[in-house]
Amino acid sequence: AQSVAQPEDQVNVAEGNPLTVKCTYSVSGNPYLFWYVQYPNRGLQFLLKYITGDNLVKGSYGFEAEFNKSQTSFHLKKPSALVSDSALYFCAVRDTGSNYQLIWGAGTKLIIKP
Amino acid sequence: DSGVTQTPKHLITATGQRVTLRCSPRSGDLSVYWYQQSLDQGLQFLIQYYNGEERAKGNILERFSAQQFPDLHSELNLSSLELGDSALYFCASAFGGDANTGELFFGEGSRLTVL
Repeated sequence: AQSVAQPEDQVNVAEGNPLTVKCTYSVSGNPYLFWYVQYPNRGLQFLLKYITGDNLVKGSYGFEAEFNKSQTSFHLKKPSALVSDSALYFCAVRDTGSNYQLIWGAGTKLIIKP
Repeated sequence: DSGVTQTPKHLITATGQRVTLRCSPRSGDLSVYWYQQSLDQGLQFLIQYYNGEERAKGNILERFSAQQFPDLHSELNLSSLELGDSALYFCASAFGGDANTGELFFGEGSRLTVL
C-alpha cells in the first residue's frame, strides 16, 4: 500500500540552529513528493515539491528538502531556524494508483525556541 | 491570502442536523478538493471536483455530499451530523485536474462543532 510516514510527532529546535523534519514514503513508480506548512488557525500552504531532477529542492521561506531514492526519504531542512517557523508540517506523496490524489503524512509539529 | 474563500469560518450545531459549507476557489482554478482535518485522523481527503464533475472520491461518508456549480464554487453538505463529525473542513483549489503538480491552494477552513 502506498503511504507516507512522518516518524516524529514533534521536533524542538533552538532558534538559529539547523532543523530537519523527516518524511519517508512508499509508492510504486516514481514519487511526486510535497511539503506543506500549516500555521495556527490557517489553511495549509505549499512549501516545495520534488517531481524530477536535482535531489535538493529549494522552496519558500528558506526551506529545502532532499530526495533520497535509496532511503525513500524526503526530509525537510533549513540551515537556521526562526521562531516564526513554528508550525505544523505535512509531507505528501502523489498516489500513483487510480485517483492520483495526495497521500498525506500525519504532520510534525515544529517548535522553535528563542 | 491563498485566494480560496470558505464560509462559514465557525459553525456550531446539534447532532442530527444538516449543514452546508461553501468554498470559492482561486480565480481560474478548475479543481476543488474537500478535506477533513481532525485530531485523531489527520488530514483526510473527501472528494474532488473538476470543472463541475466529480473527479475522485476519498473517505467521504454517505451522509456527506458535495457539488461544484457552473461558477466553480463548491458546497459540501453534511447531514445527520454526529459528534464525530466535529472537525476542521478545508477546501483547496488547483488549476489542473489531478495532483500532478501538487500545488494546492487551501482556504482557512470551516470549523464544525457538533454538540
